[in-house]
Amino acid sequence: GENVEQHPSTLSVQEGDSAVIKCTYSDSASNYFPWYKQELGKRPQLIIDIRSNVGEKKDQRIAVTLNKTAKHFSLHITETQPEDSAVYFCAATNNAGNMLTFGGGTRLMVKP
Amino acid sequence: DGGITQSPKYLFRKEGQNVTLSCEQNLNHDAMYWYRQDPGQGLRLIYYSQIVNDFQKGDIAEGYSVSREKKESFPLTVTSAQKNPTAFYLCASQWQKNTEAFFGQGTRLTVV
Repeated sequence: GENVEQHPSTLSVQEGDSAVIKCTYSDSASNYFPWYKQELGKRPQLIIDIRSNVGEKKDQRIAVTLNKTAKHFSLHITETQPEDSAVYFCAATNNAGNMLTFGGGTRLMVKP
Repeated sequence: DGGITQSPKYLFRKEGQNVTLSCEQNLNHDAMYWYRQDPGQGLRLIYYSQIVNDFQKGDIAEGYSVSREKKESFPLTVTSAQKNPTAFYLCASQWQKNTEAFFGQGTRLTVV
């Protein structure tokens, strides 16, 4: 089955700096890669996703890049703010699209 | 509140008892999932269902059982065979493959 590795497990940045979280996946047939944000005590919520026919996608301060050859994708957050502090999860679906596998999560702390 | 509801929010179980966690959605989604989240860790897939009366084991199905008798409902039973059931359990639903998964608020299960 699919295996998703996520790094780093914790990330501390100063407000205004950029943050980058990286994920690798094992199934070359995977074609959907969402990113979720989970604030303390709350449910995970989708912040951005990318499909295999696209190399990059941007939404305001958030961007995701995908390298299918290398089987890795990354989340980029620019101009970080304290409210960006949360746990971020990457995920990948299998070829059939019916099974979503998550990475281990990254705890992002943005210091004011 | 997102259209997917988990209950109860907190659940205490004595060792040797079976308990059932409820998950209901009114989003008309076909796919539903159960994940387990341990402190500081990612989401691990327990079971998933793509259609009524059909479900598949995820990565950590041992000690758990599910049913999908109705499209709206996907209850999870934690049996006495699950040796370490204390965790945060998240249910999710998805309209179709390779689309956003919506999560419930979670159930925190504690064995006492």
